[in-house]
Amino acid sequence: NAGVTQTPKFQVLKTGQSMTLQCAQDMNHEYMSWYRQDPGMGLRLIHYSVGAGITDQGEVPNGYNVSRSTTEDFPLRLLSAAPSQTSVYFCASSYSAAPGGYTFGSGTRLTVV
Amino acid sequence: AQKITQTQPGMFVQEKEAVTLDCTYDTSDQSYGLFWYKQPSSGEMIFLIYQGSYDEQNATEGRYSLNFQKARKSTNLVISASQLGDSAMYFCAMREMNTGFQKLVFGTGTRLLVSP
Repeated sequence: NAGVTQTPKFQVLKTGQSMTLQCAQDMNHEYMSWYRQDPGMGLRLIHYSVGAGITDQGEVPNGYNVSRSTTEDFPLRLLSAAPSQTSVYFCASSYSAAPGGYTFGSGTRLTVV
Repeated sequence: AQKITQTQPGMFVQEKEAVTLDCTYDTSDQSYGLFWYKQPSSGEMIFLIYQGSYDEQNATEGRYSLNFQKARKSTNLVISASQLGDSAMYFCAMREMNTGFQKLVFGTGTRLLVSP
């Protein structure tokens, strides 16, 4: 019962570096999302996917890319990291038809210096 | 556009007492789901309780219950018999079933501190 697995748990980047945050789920969920959490602002949606090959932008997509080549994986790419991207990132997944909520990964704490 | 408002940045309660965390929402969708998540200091997001917009009964899950007032667009979380382990951030969230089913929209959260 792995659920939603995020890697890495912690990461420090220099401004301008690129990296990929990994997210995998083993529950055969159609929907997957990436959120960022900043102090005082709750969780904000970055990108989401409703199935393999289908992605769309959320509330704060700038500076991030996503792709969904398989049902299981939904990586988040930072092409050129900026200090404003210092945050905690959560990946989450859900069934498409069930009214229940999302299952969240344990989060990635990213610091950009 | 859907919106969630949590007006209490912090709440204090003594152990074994009940506490109510407030949440109001705004949506034009007639069908939606309301959620509460707990985030302890370790950082993970833990699903607590769910209320559907067409549910006639207030949702309950153990010591957690919702005071769902649809006309007022509010869904307050009631934690009964508070425990020290309830100290955490609590987030209210909404999912629109027709227009935004793939998205969860969150409030800014309420930090609950339970004292002995």
